[in-house]
Order: sequence, then structure tokens, then C-alpha cells
Amino acid sequence: AQSVSQHNHHVILSEAASLELGCNYSYGGTVNLFWYVQYPGQHLQLLLKYFSGDPLVKGIKGFEAEFIKSKFSFNLRKPSVQWSDTAEYFCAVSNQGGKLIFGQGTELSVKP
Amino acid sequence: DARVTQTPRHKVTEMGQEVTMRCQPILGHNTVFWYRQTMMQGLELLAYFRNRAPLDDSGMPKDRFSAEMPDATLATLKIQPSEPRDSAVYFCASGQGEDSGNTIYFGEGSWLTVV
Repeated sequence: AQSVSQHNHHVILSEAASLELGCNYSYGGTVNLFWYVQYPGQHLQLLLKYFSGDPLVKGIKGFEAEFIKSKFSFNLRKPSVQWSDTAEYFCAVSNQGGKLIFGQGTELSVKP
Repeated sequence: DARVTQTPRHKVTEMGQEVTMRCQPILGHNTVFWYRQTMMQGLELLAYFRNRAPLDDSGMPKDRFSAEMPDATLATLKIQPSEPRDSAVYFCASGQGEDSGNTIYFGEGSWLTVV
């Protein structure tokens, strides 16, 4: 069965600090990988996704993620966070059947 | 601007009552997901459908929950009887095509409180 693990439950950063959120998945077959963001009181929105090709994926709002197949990881990064990045971030994995499973989420708080 | 529409947005009900949540997927999308979000469990996949057929509902408590797609424009999630532990935000999401990599789009959620 596929599963997703996000290492950090809550991350607190100051503005302009660099961000890296960890995500590891467990699944033996071909996967597609996603990061979603949920701003307070809102629904989930797609930040970026990886299907194939270049393992370094760039998304919206300056976010990027790197797929490292040997480590089953898909970590999210941003060089310089802003207060408006305060949100909850979810890593997700879908298998070839389209079943999309989410990690527990990481709450990011950015202090102005 | 195409979007997934969920109703009701907020629902407060008494324990034992039936609750029905509805979802209108984006027109043309043939895959529909139901998720439940709680502080303790995060986002749990309850069920998902493709071309109106249930593909996986293993995450759904079968004794009280049921999910259906009466037609391509409507998905329902029903809880009968409801219990306080069902209090959560229920999200519907839809996607297009057979490709598991296709992006899915979320509705704004149905916030359920069972007292």
C-alpha cells in the first residue's frame, strides 16, 4: 500500500529564511508526486507536480521540489519565504490507478 | 472559471441524524474523490470514482458512510447515523482522464459538526 510521510509537523521561520519541507513516500511502482498548499480556511491548491523527466520541478510562487528516486523523497523548497506563505503544505502521491494519498501536512508559520 | 462545488458549506446536526453532502465536479472531469480532514488524522481518502464507478472506498467506514454518483454531475456522501466523531471538513475533488498524474481540483469543503 502506498503511504506518504512528512517529517515536520510545524515549522516556524522568519521572513527571508530558506525553507525545506521533507516528504518521503512508500510505493513500489511508478508514482506521480504533488505538493498542495492550504491557506487558512481555504481549500487545497496545487503548488507543483512531478510526472517524469527533470527531477527538479518548479511551481508557483517561487516553490520548487526535487524528486530523488533512490531516497523515495520529494522535498519542497523555497529560497526566501514571505509572511504570505503561512499555510499548511501537503505532499501527495498517486499511483498508476489514480489513487491520490496525502501526507499528514506541515504547518508553516512565517514571522514578519 | 470552472470549479468544484460542494454543498452544504457548513452543517451542524445532532447525533443520529442523516447527513448528505453533495459535490458537483468540474464539467468533463471523470474522476471524483472524497476526502475527510481532521486535526488528528489529516487528509484521509474516503472513496474515489472514475466514470461514476467506485474504484476504492476502503477508507470509508462502511457501516454508516455511503458514497454514490447518481450521474456525471453529482457525487454524494451520506452519513447515517451521524456521530460526533464524524465532525470534520469533507472535501470533494475532481480530475480528468485516466492519467494518474492529472491534477485534481478541490472544492471548498463541507464543514460538518455533529453535536
